[in-house]
Amino acid sequence: EAGVTQFPSHSVIEKGQTVTLRCDPISGHDNLYWYRRVMGKEIKFLLHFVKESKQDESGMPNNRFLAERTGGTYSTLKVQPAELEDSGVYFCASSPQGTGRDYEQYFGPGTRLTVT
Amino acid sequence: AQSVTQLGSHVSVSEGALVLLRCNYSSSVPPYLFWYVQYPNQGLQLLLKYTSAATLVKGINGFEAEFKKSETSFHLTKPSAHMSDAAEYFCAVSEVAFGAQKLVFGQGTRLTINP
Repeated sequence: EAGVTQFPSHSVIEKGQTVTLRCDPISGHDNLYWYRRVMGKEIKFLLHFVKESKQDESGMPNNRFLAERTGGTYSTLKVQPAELEDSGVYFCASSPQGTGRDYEQYFGPGTRLTVT
Repeated sequence: AQSVTQLGSHVSVSEGALVLLRCNYSSSVPPYLFWYVQYPNQGLQLLLKYTSAATLVKGINGFEAEFKKSETSFHLTKPSAHMSDAAEYFCAVSEVAFGAQKLVFGQGTRLTINP
C-alpha cells in the first residue's frame, strides 16, 4: 500500500510569488490534514478535509492560503502571494473514515518551502 | 485548549544506553497521547499511542511510554539505544473540535546516538 505522498519535496520561491503544494493521501482515506512546521517551532495544524469538504480550517494563518481537495482525492495548498514567514515544512496526513480521538494519522514526508 | 511540552530539543546518548525523552501535557479532558518519529527524508511514523487503556504502552522498535496522570507526563523510553534510533521524536495530544480530530504537537526532540 502506497503511503502519503507530497510534491514537491523542496520549493524555493521569491517573496510575492505563488506556490502550490500537492498531497496524495492513502487511497480510500476520507480524512486529509495539513500541518506546518516553522523552523524551530512545533508542528501546527492548518486544516482538515473530510472527503472534499473542509471540516476545520481554524489553523489557516490568513487568506493568502487556499486549500482544495478535488473530488475527495488529492489536495492542494496554494500560497499567494508568499511572504518570508511562510517558510517551513508543510506536512500532509490522512486517516480512514471517522474522527475518533484515538485514530492514527499517516504522514507524508513534507514539503520544505523556502521564501527568499 | 490542550498543549504539549517536550523537555530538551536535543538529547544525546551513547549506543546501548537508556533513552528517555520527556513529554508533559495539559488537557482539560482525559488525553489521548501519541509519540511519532521522523527519520531523515521520511514522514512522521507512529511509535505508540495511549488511549485510556493500559498506562504502560509498548510501541515499535523497542520503545515504550508510561502515562502518569498525577504528573501529566507521557515520557518515552527505550532500555538500550541503537544507532538506527537517531531521529526526531514528537509527542502529541489528540483533540476533537468542530467534529474533526487534530493533533497538537510538542516542539520535537532530536535524538543523537553516539557510537
